Amino acid sequence: GENVEQHPSTLSVQEGDSAVIKCTYSDSASNYFPWYKQELGKGPQLIIDIRSNVGEKKDQRIAVTLNKTAKHFSLHITETQPEDSAVYFCAAISYSSASKIIFGSGTRLSIRP
Amino acid sequence: KAGVTQTPRYLIKTRGQQVTLSCSPISGHRSVSWYQQTPGQGLQFLFEYFSETQRNKGNFPGRFSGRQFSNSRSEMNVSTLELGDSALYLCASTIRGGDLGNEQFFGPGTRLTVL
Repeated sequence: GENVEQHPSTLSVQEGDSAVIKCTYSDSASNYFPWYKQELGKGPQLIIDIRSNVGEKKDQRIAVTLNKTAKHFSLHITETQPEDSAVYFCAAISYSSASKIIFGSGTRLSIRP
Repeated sequence: KAGVTQTPRYLIKTRGQQVTLSCSPISGHRSVSWYQQTPGQGLQFLFEYFSETQRNKGNFPGRFSGRQFSNSRSEMNVSTLELGDSALYLCASTIRGGDLGNEQFFGPGTRLTVL
């Protein structure tokens, strides 16, 4: 069945450095790719998203890139800060038959002071 | 504007029992989706309701069901609980339904423990 692979599962970076999280999806009908941040005790929060007709999108320190041919999309966080520490999930949404959303397994990002 | 609220926040049940969880979406949002989050399986989509109708459904057994009321509040029910149903159940709301490609706002979740 369809799946979304997310790497790495854990990531530790020095404050101020960049962090990159990568996802690969299998369903070629997927055309919407959101990224969520989940802090302890809270529900996921959308931080950025990208649609299949766009290759890159940026919002301040956060950017997402999409390669539809390779079925890859990545989250880039620059100038990381302690408040960026959280679990990040990618997701892919397919409209092939009914709407279907599949999440990656999550990346626990830790920012070292 | 108040966020998505879920009640109860924590719940302990025993195997074989049934449970009902409640979700109140953001005012004006008409679509409510439910998700199960576990360490082993991650985040999985259960179902989505819009205008009191189930629009989309994930791959969960029939023991998992839901409904939506005219005020957009939603409940999900799990019957004949199993140990593997222990999870964080999240609900998310969005303005439009039937299309999961809209920003979803998540609630804090209900932590269900099955003993």
